[in-house]
Amino acid sequence: DSGVTQTPKHLITATGQRVTLRCSPRSGDLSVYWYQQSLDQGLQFLIQYYNGEERAKGNILERFSAQQFPDLHSELNLSSLELGDSALYFCASESSSFDYGYTFGSGTRLTVV
Amino acid sequence: GENVEQHPSTLSVQEGDSAVIKCTYSDSASNYFPWYKQELGKRPQLIIDIRSNVGEKKDQRIAVTLNKTAKHFSLHITETQPEDSAVYFCAATEAYSGAGSYQLTFGKGTKLSVIP
Repeated sequence: DSGVTQTPKHLITATGQRVTLRCSPRSGDLSVYWYQQSLDQGLQFLIQYYNGEERAKGNILERFSAQQFPDLHSELNLSSLELGDSALYFCASESSSFDYGYTFGSGTRLTVV
Repeated sequence: GENVEQHPSTLSVQEGDSAVIKCTYSDSASNYFPWYKQELGKRPQLIIDIRSNVGEKKDQRIAVTLNKTAKHFSLHITETQPEDSAVYFCAATEAYSGAGSYQLTFGKGTKLSVIP
């Protein structure tokens, strides 16, 4: 157990629907990063939150949004889903003691049918 | 922004042989280079990292080398074992003081197969 908790582990939904993925960072970590991993693809950075504020955006579609709550958990909202959104979605948290390195959660596998 | 190229995309070696994976990066400001191992269906896990003030770092059978001038870094695995079979990702970023201050750019991964 990495200490980063992601729910649900698996999600199957239809095109056009909206889903919410949840991530709880390791205790004490203030940063949450979201990454998308498509089949046979690398890890694409989506968005980063630090202590409740958006810190950086990567290749995140306008149909996707995220937020980080006061208790530091984060949610990634995916709407108007398309078949191409099927992927593994990872969140990672970073130690606030600046010792580098992300700790990834186990991921949410999203399948859009 | 940063761009990381990783080669090869697949690599097969006999058990006991060495494996080398190479990455190049584009942003000369990058100063932190981690390597992650991802087993099938599991999360990426940090296995070793190197910072730009160091040319080489070793941890048992794993080593990473960095050439800042050429902007490339490599992962070396010696005496490979079947449990080394996984996808390996390199990454790069400019990391500076203050947590939450960097976003890793990953290479596309190398699928390593160690043949018993």
